[in-house]
Amino acid sequence: GAVVSQHPSRVICKSGTSVKIECRSLDFQATTMFWYRQFPKKSLMLMATSNEGSKATYEQGVEKDKFLINHASLTLSTLTVTSAHPEDSSFYICSASASGSVGQYFGPGTRLTVL
Amino acid sequence: GESVGLHLPTLSVQEGDNSIINCAYSNSASDYFIWYKQESGKGPQFIIDIRSNMDKRQGQRVTVLLNKTVKHLSLQIAATQPGDSAVYFCAESGPYALNFGKGTSLLVTP
Repeated sequence: GAVVSQHPSRVICKSGTSVKIECRSLDFQATTMFWYRQFPKKSLMLMATSNEGSKATYEQGVEKDKFLINHASLTLSTLTVTSAHPEDSSFYICSASASGSVGQYFGPGTRLTVL
Repeated sequence: GESVGLHLPTLSVQEGDNSIINCAYSNSASDYFIWYKQESGKGPQFIIDIRSNMDKRQGQRVTVLLNKTVKHLSLQIAATQPGDSAVYFCAESGPYALNFGKGTSLLVTP
């Protein structure tokens, strides 16, 4: 099946710093990538949808200036959490889908801990 | 609004028994449904999908049933194994992205 990777898998940072998370589709071209956030024992919450070469579409309540998303190529999307605070600590998961495909393939997730 | 939800938040089954995880959806226009398995600390893993023009689809030890009349989706796992312990999510394909249900935690006991 299609493989999606994320880097880093875990990151611990100090409050006020910015953190970048990468999402890569390894064996297919991802025209659309999605970023989710997941709290413990909860379902996935869609944060934003990004199409290659265009601006991301953010879900209601998600601050676009705080969660910067870039989808510069068909295999890479990045999520930057700017000026991170402890309440941003969470599990961030990306997924990717190919052109014309409905299915999404998920990355392994990134555990962010902000001290 | 439209939603996808699960009937049971937790399910405990004995090893070797069959498991059934249920999901209700409310958007009658949904035409594609997916089941995902998520182990602790990992991303969701695709299990099986089904389109609305089908009632049943089988995979390896898993079967998905779709009842469009009552808007109900189920995942059946045959001969449940300890490695099946995880949280299972159903998802329906919305206009732009997947809509996830709340998840059911499956615990397989020896």
